[in-house]
Amino acid sequence: EAGVAQSPRYKIIEKRQSVAFWCNPISGHATLYWYQQILGQGPKLLIQFQNNGVVDDSQLPKDRFSAERLKGVDSTLKIQPAKLEDSAVYLCASSLDRQGHEQYFGPGTRLTVT
Amino acid sequence: AQKVTQAQTEISVVEKEDVTLDCVYETRDTTYYLFWYKQPPSGELVFLIRRNSFDEQNEISGRYSWNFQKSTSSFNFTITASQVVDSAVYFCALSNQAGTALIFGKGTTLSVSS
Repeated sequence: EAGVAQSPRYKIIEKRQSVAFWCNPISGHATLYWYQQILGQGPKLLIQFQNNGVVDDSQLPKDRFSAERLKGVDSTLKIQPAKLEDSAVYLCASSLDRQGHEQYFGPGTRLTVT
Repeated sequence: AQKVTQAQTEISVVEKEDVTLDCVYETRDTTYYLFWYKQPPSGELVFLIRRNSFDEQNEISGRYSWNFQKSTSSFNFTITASQVVDSAVYFCALSNQAGTALIFGKGTTLSVSS
């Protein structure tokens, strides 16, 4: 079974530029998550989708971050404009459903904002 | 509010030693789920175990074992006869029945030397 796919794996941009990340979850997984992991910390949720609807985006900085999950499969996360503090690893995860199921993580995208 | 505390920031052991990673959680929910994930140097989070709040049985999987005690709100992880390949950051995480995203601890970095 294929795992969660993410691209790109690495990205370096200057502050105020925009960037987009892509995620393809495990086939059949209804729930998709985007987490931000700053160096030395545990991942923190940015947004959670159930199929193509948003379940939780309370910690998403909506003035600069946006995300969508068209057709309930692939998802993209965008940052515009980027700030230095956005430098982090962006992790995508998926689970079969919401209630207590284990989440499977992709390899992440390491973003460096200079 | 939900919270996960991993008080041990770093642990260093020599191969074949046993090591226990501590995890203390806080939640007001009666139904919740606890998880352990491993993050090796490659960066991808690997699911290790899920335990629901009604199942306090300890679990053993090869060299890994988990001790869940609701009375002390702890979910500790023991590696028996540690190996160099066990070197990684280990995260404890919590979610509730409603299917909220994972709340992660800050992680414990385990270094196993030969």
